[in-house]
Amino acid sequence: DTGVSQDPRHKITKRGQNVTFRCDPISEHNRLYWYRQTLGQGPEFLTYFQNEAQLEKSRLLSDRFSAERPKGSFSTLEIQRTEQGDSAMYLCASSYTRGSEPQTTMGYTFGSGTRLTVV
Amino acid sequence: RKEVEQDPGPFNVPEGATVAFNCTYSNSASQSFFWYRQDCRKEPKLLMSVYSSGNEDGRFTAQLNRASQYISLLIRDSKLSDSATYLCVVKAAGNMLTFGGGTRLMVKP
Repeated sequence: DTGVSQDPRHKITKRGQNVTFRCDPISEHNRLYWYRQTLGQGPEFLTYFQNEAQLEKSRLLSDRFSAERPKGSFSTLEIQRTEQGDSAMYLCASSYTRGSEPQTTMGYTFGSGTRLTVV
Repeated sequence: RKEVEQDPGPFNVPEGATVAFNCTYSNSASQSFFWYRQDCRKEPKLLMSVYSSGNEDGRFTAQLNRASQYISLLIRDSKLSDSATYLCVVKAAGNMLTFGGGTRLMVKP
């Protein structure tokens, strides 16, 4: 296990279809994050998990988006009824955190992302 | 107003030049600060953390001014391989990183 893996790397789908992405974090990492990035912008936070618990969701995450991390290991992000505005790079990241993490200076490790194109 | 603001650039500099990027953040409760590097169509990668006392890693120097809520990155002796987008990143008391829009650097021969 050398890093964060995401699958697929690319996905082209027709508007209205459902898509699901998978992320496998670094095995000892207990936190997993999903971000979305559009061209020319920085990554925007979507949601994160600590182990299997989804602890925070952005307002960007509409009802069409759902994320799971059922066993505290890999995670899936599903988008239902895709729209053209959903076209973006979906990035997964993971980190290891102890306790309340008040003074961490560690960043995250990102996967290579899944590039979604909705046509 | 965005939580983390950066000049998008591009900064076009010759090899060997010194270049500086600035970033401002709006949340005074921010606790951790980073610079990430992102190559075209690749994922962001941690370049360096930014400490209150300032820190240096080879040709890269990062500074933090908490009073002004301002972060900087200085690159000395620019290399062609430094061409990338540099993302200013801030972490508040919550657990997610907040990214700026990035500053694009192009180093030319």
